[in-house]
Amino acid sequence: DAKTTQPPSMDCAEGRAANLPCNHSTISGNEYVYWYRQIHSQGPQYIIHGLKNNETNEMASLIITEDRKSSTLILPHATLRDTAVYYCIVREGGYSTLTFGKGTMLLVSP
Amino acid sequence: EPEVTQTPSHQVTQMGQEVILRCVPISNHLYFYWYRQILGQKVEFLVSFYNNEISEKSEIFDDQFSVERPDGSNFTLKIRSTKLEDSAMYFCASSESSSNQPQHFGDGTRLSIL
Repeated sequence: DAKTTQPPSMDCAEGRAANLPCNHSTISGNEYVYWYRQIHSQGPQYIIHGLKNNETNEMASLIITEDRKSSTLILPHATLRDTAVYYCIVREGGYSTLTFGKGTMLLVSP
Repeated sequence: EPEVTQTPSHQVTQMGQEVILRCVPISNHLYFYWYRQILGQKVEFLVSFYNNEISEKSEIFDDQFSVERPDGSNFTLKIRSTKLEDSAMYFCASSESSSNQPQHFGDGTRLSIL
């Protein structure tokens, strides 16, 4: 089973920042936090991942709390094309499996 | 940007027939995976493959399933004697290494069993 908890849905206005929360209170020291998204039955798309430091790339920023029990994915300027299901996944380093939960359905509206 | 490609995009097969789903992973990647997603359900891990052998598999990946890397570029999933419940999207993924590197997914093959 997925080791994360995410809200089932969120709304965001186009051009605003989308902040997607994730709880992973049982995360252990060697587990990474990964974020993927899935746009309407396309393949999951990798967004970003991190261990304990905050991370930023061209798609998003990942903020991980100091105790590592939760994180937030930030899309700084959401567009209509960011409408998707966003998955927060905790993955142990060295293991293959990505265990997907139900994710958060983000709806970006004009 | 390099990507994982899967063929066909949609496969329709009669129940009991064998089907082969094909994937071309990203060229410098060494780890390969199959996942499936039944309509309306979660994405589920099936199997991972490295150095020409299975490294992990889930309970779903039973004797009906097999994987192969027949040449230097293709990675295939074979399903023998297909059942109605095998109808799903099948996603291939690849990664540079097994640890701390993201898996990159193809856009999937929609398998419909009649």
